[in-house]
Amino acid sequence: RKEVEQDPGPFNVPEGATVAFNCTYSNSASQSFFWYRQDCRKEPKLLMSVYSSGNEDGRFTAQLNRASQYISLLIRDSKLSDSATYLCVVTTLRGSSGSARQLTFGSGTQLTVLP
Amino acid sequence: SQTIHQWPATLVQPVGSPLSLECTVEGTSNPNLYWYRQAAGRGLQLLFYSVGIGQISSEVPQNLSASRPQDRQFILSSKKLLLSDSGFYLCAWSVVGDAQYFGPGTRLTVT
Repeated sequence: RKEVEQDPGPFNVPEGATVAFNCTYSNSASQSFFWYRQDCRKEPKLLMSVYSSGNEDGRFTAQLNRASQYISLLIRDSKLSDSATYLCVVTTLRGSSGSARQLTFGSGTQLTVLP
Repeated sequence: SQTIHQWPATLVQPVGSPLSLECTVEGTSNPNLYWYRQAAGRGLQLLFYSVGIGQISSEVPQNLSASRPQDRQFILSSKKLLLSDSGFYLCAWSVVGDAQYFGPGTRLTVT
């Protein structure tokens, strides 16, 4: 089983649609959770952190369910500029002092917003 | 604000040639530094991480090595490149308790 599994995608949605991405993780010791977006041939960029209480940033809402080891991202009112690959990321502490974070990336879900 | 630089942006090297990729971070002290590789159409694979000068941890056995000669400098090297070393190499930094932030990457093609 992969450590982080995401919806296979791709998602093709019209402008203005609401789209939801799901992600599950296998390591119950995982400590932090993020969504990154990666544009074609570019580096991943942090979209938002994910907290147990849920958090919202404009049109984006992230949810975490630790009991089910499940993370979600909801995008409302999709824009053409939202087209990208969305990466679910889970971190665990590494090293003898636990001072380094290892990010484990999902394989990503490709979103294309159509005009 | 913090910035991270990587160079070169693209590189084409023959099999068996050496490699040196450099990453520098500005605007922060004592960051954790990371090297990742992303093969075409694949996910990100952690190669090395460093929590301080001269401290390198390797995640995947391979013909690559990393060094951290200065606090905000991280170098990825190889003595002899293989075809399978082709990919998108990303450097990232973080401070403990925070997300990682990526540089613009180096796209390496080994021919």
